[in-house]
Amino acid sequence: GAVVSQHPSRVICKSGTSVKIECRSLDFQATTMFWYRQFPKKSLMLMATSNEGSKATYEQGVEKDKFLINHASLTLSTLTVTSAHPEDSSFYICSASSGHEVADTQYFGPGTRLTVL
Amino acid sequence: GNSVTQMEGPVTLSEEAFLTINCTYTATGYPSLFWYVQYPGEGLQLLLKATKADDKGSNKGFEATYRKETTSFHLEKGSVQVSDSAVYFCALSEGNQGGKLIFGQGTELSVKP
Repeated sequence: GAVVSQHPSRVICKSGTSVKIECRSLDFQATTMFWYRQFPKKSLMLMATSNEGSKATYEQGVEKDKFLINHASLTLSTLTVTSAHPEDSSFYICSASSGHEVADTQYFGPGTRLTVL
Repeated sequence: GNSVTQMEGPVTLSEEAFLTINCTYTATGYPSLFWYVQYPGEGLQLLLKATKADDKGSNKGFEATYRKETTSFHLEKGSVQVSDSAVYFCALSEGNQGGKLIFGQGTELSVKP
């Protein structure tokens, strides 16, 4: 149980275009979803926290107009990178929490590799 | 603010060697502590967790004990295998942060046959 999927797994896009990444909890309802960014050989940096039906809470330094997050249902959250630039190239990872477990364990998706040309 | 510090890698061991990856934390309140593992090309998987002082988390031969007095949560395994080669992340979560995880920088482990 507790499976989280992401789609696509890899995406290559041209500079200036927008890219949408989906995160789904497959076998549980996720009251909270988190979006992270991971640079090569670096730790995960939390970008934002989203709760179903409400606006996402962004971490300091993360541009909310550039990284649009929508948590439309208890099983789906999307991250849209708008007007992507090469410096947005990274590994984006989502996680989901049901909020019903001890310590609010997060379950992670496999990640999406974004390359902006 | 809250933070997690892990020993720097990469750590290279021979198969069947003993593994320790150090993790210390700084936090207000009483955090829950986690170890996550990331195998090459994959996402993070929860390896083990502990929610209060003196708890021991264990899974797949790995263990870590929540030590409040030393603010540590060191990961250990008695005999590593080649298949344990991965990046290991220590993390903490405080309940009042809405489940937000704070990660250490990750420690890469490479196990040679």
